[in-house]
Amino acid sequence: RKEVEQDPGPFNVPEGATVAFNCTYSNSASQSFFWYRQDCRKEPKLLMSVYSSGNEDGRFTAQLNRASQYISLLIRDSKLSDSATYLCVALSYGNQFYFGTGTSLTVIP
Amino acid sequence: DTAVSQTPKYLVTQMGNDKSIKCEQNLGHDTMYWYKQDSKKFLKIMFSYNNKELIINETVPNRFSPKSPDKAHLNLHINSLELGDSAVYFCASSQMIAGVFQETQYFGPGTRLLVL
Repeated sequence: RKEVEQDPGPFNVPEGATVAFNCTYSNSASQSFFWYRQDCRKEPKLLMSVYSSGNEDGRFTAQLNRASQYISLLIRDSKLSDSATYLCVALSYGNQFYFGTGTSLTVIP
Repeated sequence: DTAVSQTPKYLVTQMGNDKSIKCEQNLGHDTMYWYKQDSKKFLKIMFSYNNKELIINETVPNRFSPKSPDKAHLNLHINSLELGDSAVYFCASSQMIAGVFQETQYFGPGTRLLVL
């Protein structure tokens, strides 16, 4: 079983739509969580950290549910430039980052 | 200024050859990593070094040998390349905090390796 699991998609949504991605992690002792964004043929880049209380950065909202061991990312008012692969990441107490396989998003004009 | 740089960006080589990929970070971080991203886009850790010491060594063939001459550099040498080694290899760095927790990672641009 993978440490971090995501729905690979693809998600195809119209501009302006709201889209949500979910991710589950298997290790209940995981300490920190992140969402990364990876554009085609580019390196992953940090989108946002995920805090227990939930956090928002502009159109992006991240939530963590430790009891159910899932993380979510909500994107409001989707832009064409949001098209990318979104990677869910869990940091274990062994100081190892576990990446999900990513969820592909395409925002359509 | 490039925070994490890798060379080369592209590497095309024959089976059986030996090749090296270099990575350098100018962020002052104390931890560096090598990841492999296969054709299915799954990003899997291979090695991690903290202050030049190996701390993570996943199940990787011993044809792969990392080397960290100092904490700003982590190189990856691959012996006897095989077709299945074709992938994108990413270097990354991060900073340990209080010896336990780490801030997030910063990735290099990747090295696209194709073994023919």
